[in-house]
Amino acid sequence: AQTVTQSQPEMSVQEAETVTLSCTYDTSESNYYLFWYKQPPSRQMILVIRQEAYKQQNATENRFSVNFQKAAKSFSLKISDSQLGDTAMYFCAFMPQGGSEKLVFGKGTKLTVNP
Amino acid sequence: NAGVTQTPKFQVLKTGQSMTLQCAQDMNHEYMSWYRQDPGMGLRLIHYSVGAGITDQGEVPNGYNVSRSTTEDFPLRLLSAAPSQTSVYFCATRRGPLGNTIYFGEGSWLTVV
Repeated sequence: AQTVTQSQPEMSVQEAETVTLSCTYDTSESNYYLFWYKQPPSRQMILVIRQEAYKQQNATENRFSVNFQKAAKSFSLKISDSQLGDTAMYFCAFMPQGGSEKLVFGKGTKLTVNP
Repeated sequence: NAGVTQTPKFQVLKTGQSMTLQCAQDMNHEYMSWYRQDPGMGLRLIHYSVGAGITDQGEVPNGYNVSRSTTEDFPLRLLSAAPSQTSVYFCATRRGPLGNTIYFGEGSWLTVV
């Protein structure tokens, strides 16, 4: 069974600074997707960034980028130039490619951006 | 451009009552699923469907039923509500087995007293 571990329950960062959220996962699958989702107080699940395991290049989306280390099964999220609107819960998630629906989430990291 | 629509958004139930959470999508996605989110937890898969007429259990299926008679709709039924089912419920869709983006509804807040 796949597991996703987020070892930082809470983090804080000053506005305009950079912060990195950690995620490790365990799987025997060779093809899969990894995701970071943002959940603000409204509870809406917002996709931040996606990484296909077969791609060696790290995904980037504006201020958000990942450090994907397949051999180490590590998938960290870097947020640059942090903004107050980045304050939210962040969830790392894993999904095998193809087949049935089995999205597995970590327990989340609560990020607070301070002014 | 509705996407994934969940109703109701908020519901309070008494222990033992039954109810149905509705989920509708207008994207013609094959895959639909239901998750629950408890305090301090990520989302956990309850049931999922890979197409009309096909459903399967996820990680936490006990106390819930689903059916998929159409592509668009995937209702989640609580048979006899228990306080342990107090949670936020999310419906999600994916285009199909090669779809790499999951679309979530806005969530349904359920309290069982």
